[in-house]
Amino acid sequence: GQQVMQIPQYQHVQEGEDFTTYCNSSTTLSNIQWYKQRPGGHPVFLIQLVKSGEVKKQKRLTFQFGEAKKNSSLHITATQTTDVGTYFCAGPSGTSGTYKYIFGTGTRLKVLA
Amino acid sequence: NAGVMQNPRHLVRRRGQEARLRCSPVKGHSHVYWYRQLPEEGLKFMVYLQKENIIDESGMPKERFSAEFPKEGPSILRIQQVVRGDSAAYFCASSLRSTTMNTEAFFGQGTRLTVV
Repeated sequence: GQQVMQIPQYQHVQEGEDFTTYCNSSTTLSNIQWYKQRPGGHPVFLIQLVKSGEVKKQKRLTFQFGEAKKNSSLHITATQTTDVGTYFCAGPSGTSGTYKYIFGTGTRLKVLA
Repeated sequence: NAGVMQNPRHLVRRRGQEARLRCSPVKGHSHVYWYRQLPEEGLKFMVYLQKENIIDESGMPKERFSAEFPKEGPSILRIQQVVRGDSAAYFCASSLRSTTMNTEAFFGQGTRLTVV
């Protein structure tokens, strides 16, 4: 079945360093979403990318959707302690007209002050 | 403007008991989704419901698990005869539309079920 994988699984960075997580789908996606989950918290929607090659920025966060629409990345510039959490990408399943997102395995980010 | 409300936040059940998890979606949202998250893992889709209808339950175990979203009241995820392996965080999400394009899902705080 459809799979969405993320690498790395864990990342520890010093505060101020950059961070990137990569998301790869086994199938072409119509769109991809990114969520952040703080420790002990719930997933919070960050952004959705729809177009091939699309790049979107939110302050220090840069999201990219691959040309083939099978991969995506999230890059954080100059990490802060508030960036700590697990970042998930999610892609819709192949069934059209229904909302069923397959979540990636997540990348857990730890920022060392 | 309340978001998705789940209760209880924490639930402890002995093996063999029943667990009932409740979810009230964002006001005006008629699409509800339940996900399960095991410790240190991602979210696994369980079921998608609209008012009074189960649209997709392909991620839900065939036995002991059931879900409903009645015309009035919250959505309920019911787990009968719980086992230790059911211990997990159960998240409910709601959305305004059913299509996958430009549809943001709002997640509740989750119910953390512990089976002892």
